[in-house]
Amino acid sequence: DTEVTQTPKHLVMGMTNKKSLKCEQHMGHRAMYWYKQKAKKPPELMFVYSYEKLSINESVPSRFSPECPNSSLLNLHLHALQPEDSALYLCASSQVAGGTYEQYFGPGTRLTVT
Amino acid sequence: SQQGEEDPQALSIQEGENATMNCSYKTSINNLQWYRQNSGRGLVHLILIRSNEREKHSGRLRVTLDTSKKSSSLLITASRAADTASYFCATNNNAGNMLTFGGGTRLMVKP
Repeated sequence: DTEVTQTPKHLVMGMTNKKSLKCEQHMGHRAMYWYKQKAKKPPELMFVYSYEKLSINESVPSRFSPECPNSSLLNLHLHALQPEDSALYLCASSQVAGGTYEQYFGPGTRLTVT
Repeated sequence: SQQGEEDPQALSIQEGENATMNCSYKTSINNLQWYRQNSGRGLVHLILIRSNEREKHSGRLRVTLDTSKKSSSLLITASRAADTASYFCATNNNAGNMLTFGGGTRLMVKP
């Protein structure tokens, strides 16, 4: 199974809502990533988890809170977002952290903040 | 931060033609990877070329790497309509801890 799944596919939330994005992989990968992608732009790295520990936080605002409950799951908790946070949020995994190995991406969650 | 710059930003060709995309980067790298993204979907890894390699093939894809010029190219031969997508290069620096994506080339292959 070389698939990374993400739920939900689409999410519309108000600025006062709290919601969570979920990501799952069953490839035995020990690194998982969150990226944010705006239209016609490349993905921008937000967080890296290595062996279930947060190893990189790319200066992401605290209204985004990642969580890695186990080696297969990655969550992104959202609270008090701004309209400019509307984007495609991509989860990825790789054998271990870093760029030596290819990353497998999920289909993304299209987030709209109203 | 964006390390790679891709050229052209957009490319439109007829089915059967070859498509060439270029990527330039700024710092020393461990490897360079190419990914494809269909509209609004996740990225798919295409090929990885290490810094000590100069050329690599995978099916209709050919990637070259010139570390002296800090550049790479992706050639898609005999293009198909299904190749329509955005193509991104991504570099892994020598610290090895993350990938940095280039701006991407939007390829349209007309049937």
